Amino acid sequence: GQSLEQPSEVTAVEGAIVQINCTYQTSGFYGLSWYQQHDGGAPTFLSYNGLDGLEETGRFSSFLSRSDSYGYLLLQELQMKDSASYFCAVREESNYQLIWGAGTKLIIKP
Amino acid sequence: EAGVVQSPRYKIIEKKQPVAFWCNPISGHNTLYWYRQNLGQGPELLIRYENEEAVDDSQLPKDRFSAERLKGVDSTLKIQPAELGDSAVYLCASSRPGTGVREQFFGPGTRLTVL
Repeated sequence: GQSLEQPSEVTAVEGAIVQINCTYQTSGFYGLSWYQQHDGGAPTFLSYNGLDGLEETGRFSSFLSRSDSYGYLLLQELQMKDSASYFCAVREESNYQLIWGAGTKLIIKP
Repeated sequence: EAGVVQSPRYKIIEKKQPVAFWCNPISGHNTLYWYRQNLGQGPELLIRYENEEAVDDSQLPKDRFSAERLKGVDSTLKIQPAELGDSAVYLCASSRPGTGVREQFFGPGTRLTVL
C-alpha cells in the first residue's frame, strides 16, 4: 500500500538547525514535495525534489534519496515564525495524485 | 497575483443539513483540487478538475458529496446531507498547467463543524 511516515512532533531551539525526515512506500515514485502549514492557515509550498540530492532555498533545504525511499527537510537559523506543521507529499508515477504524510509539528523554543 | 479564494471561512450546521463551499482559483490555473483535512492529518484529495472536467473523483463519497466547476473557473463543493464525520477543513487548491504534482497553491479553507 501507499504510506508516508514522518515524526509527529519535533522540538528545537531558536537559531538552531532541525531536520524533519520522511520515508515513503508507494507503488512507483515521481517526486517529493514539502509544504508548511501554520495553525489555521493554508499549506504553502516549500520545496520539491524530483532527483536525488539536495535542493536549497534560503534557510530551507530538502534532500532526496530514491534508493532509500527517504527524504528530509532541513531548516537552518530557526526563527519563532517557523513554528508550524510540515508535510511531505509524494506523487506516485501511476497517477497524478499527491499522497500526503500526516505532518510534523515543529515547536521552537526561545 | 491574488491567491485562491474560498468562502465561507467557517460553517456550523446540524447533521442532515446541506452545506456548500465555494472556491475561486488563481487566474490562469486550469487545475483545481478539493481536499479534506482532518485535525492532525495531511490533506486528502476529494476531486481534481482539469478545466471543467473532473479527472479524478475516486475519493469523493458520491452518495452525499457533489462538485461542479462551471466554465472551468470557480468551483462549488456540496455535501447533502452532512454527517458528524464530515467535520473537517475543506481546502481548495489550484495549479498551473503541468505543475500540480510539484506545487499547488492553497486557499485558507473552510472549517466545517457538524453538530
